[in-house]
Amino acid sequence: QQQVKQSPQSLIVQKGGISIINCAYENTAFDYFPWYQQFPGKGPALLIAIRPDVSEKKEGRFTISFNKSAKQFSLHIMDSQPGDSATYFCAASEPNSGYALNFGKGTSLLVTP
Amino acid sequence: DGGITQSPKYLFRKEGQNVTLSCEQNLNHDAMYWYRQDPGQGLRLIYYSQIVNDFQKGDIAEGYSVSREKKESFPLTVTSAQKNPTAFYLCASSFSVTAAGTQYFGPGTRLTVL
Repeated sequence: QQQVKQSPQSLIVQKGGISIINCAYENTAFDYFPWYQQFPGKGPALLIAIRPDVSEKKEGRFTISFNKSAKQFSLHIMDSQPGDSATYFCAASEPNSGYALNFGKGTSLLVTP
Repeated sequence: DGGITQSPKYLFRKEGQNVTLSCEQNLNHDAMYWYRQDPGQGLRLIYYSQIVNDFQKGDIAEGYSVSREKKESFPLTVTSAQKNPTAFYLCASSFSVTAAGTQYFGPGTRLTVL
């Protein structure tokens, strides 16, 4: 069953706006939460990642917010640009499975000019 | 030029045939992974390997087999027992399995069963 639930499935944002994608998990053994960006026909690439000992991590226009008690985390893309149009996957991993990634189903983001 | 290579990019198979997808990395990574991607399903783990000559089943291992005879190589065989093999297959690697870190993905192989 899907261990990481991601929403929304698709998102349309105007250029300059904020894109927000949410994820939730149940397995408290997860201790690493990355976000991946994937362009059509390509493999995913790591965007940003967080560990549960911090509540927020920011890298440029991308921020992860992490709520350990609620078992939720989200990706915020500030000042969204058309080049950000891609599919975004949240994921989680734990030591018991060799840190293999459990992915959400993905969010297709379209940033309009 | 370091990275992960997968070949071929596109692969066509007739029903009942086994087919092997190649994955090679020159990043000196210990861990390697195979994922399957279907539209709207995210990526699902097929197999992973923490070290040479060792591998574990993931969530959807039925109908697939792997080997890890060399650190650099982790080929995936899609057997005729896999009921619905048409998908995008992604190989990944990471430095270590003792601590979570970045997984680097290859460009993928799109397999179509005719």
